[in-house]
Amino acid sequence: NAGVMQNPRHLVRRRGQEARLRCSPMKGHSHVYWYRQLPEEGLKFMVYLQKENIIDESGMPKERFSAEFPKEGPSILRIQQVVRGDSAAYFCASSGATPGQGNWDYGYTFGSGTRLTVV
Amino acid sequence: SQQGEEDPQALSIQEGENATMNCSYKTSINNLQWYRQNSGRGLVHLILIRSNEREKHSGRLRVTLDTSKKSSSLLITASRAADTASYFCAGWGGSTLGRLYFGRGTQLTVWP
Repeated sequence: NAGVMQNPRHLVRRRGQEARLRCSPMKGHSHVYWYRQLPEEGLKFMVYLQKENIIDESGMPKERFSAEFPKEGPSILRIQQVVRGDSAAYFCASSGATPGQGNWDYGYTFGSGTRLTVV
Repeated sequence: SQQGEEDPQALSIQEGENATMNCSYKTSINNLQWYRQNSGRGLVHLILIRSNEREKHSGRLRVTLDTSKKSSSLLITASRAADTASYFCAGWGGSTLGRLYFGRGTQLTVWP
């Protein structure tokens, strides 16, 4: 029973290129969350998706960033025209329930992250 | 701004000692979660405490929650070198759907 799978683990892009980060949630999980972590910082929420729907994208920069979670396949976080400030670790998490419902006591399951370096 | 703030930022102890980390948060929460992150890895969920709970145990972990002070503590008893990691608290506020607010974390180092 694989956990949350993210790929690639490391991604190097030149300024101006596009970065595509993929996340496959745990089997049976339909809620996906993306977070960004800068060095020595905690995680900052970016976006919350369910299958084919963006539920909350209030943490996403208004430009260059987009996310999707299609009916089939992994969730994709896309960063266009990357800049040095986009260098960070990007983590995906999944859950099987809407947070706070019922006896949900499990927290989120996080992937190992994609470390993006923009040169 | 950060919802959770951990204290201390760094903690260094010997194996066998207890480690206590504190977390303060700003707004109302439905539950508070603690996560662990090994260097260069993803986060692992440790324990969740609901707003109507005051204390919870899981193995060597003990979590307390004081909603009047908006604070929580994580106690790791009989620490081991393998407990060396960063520990984060994260609050879920209920009205913000999937969003968790993380603090900056406490870096725990346990010396053998």
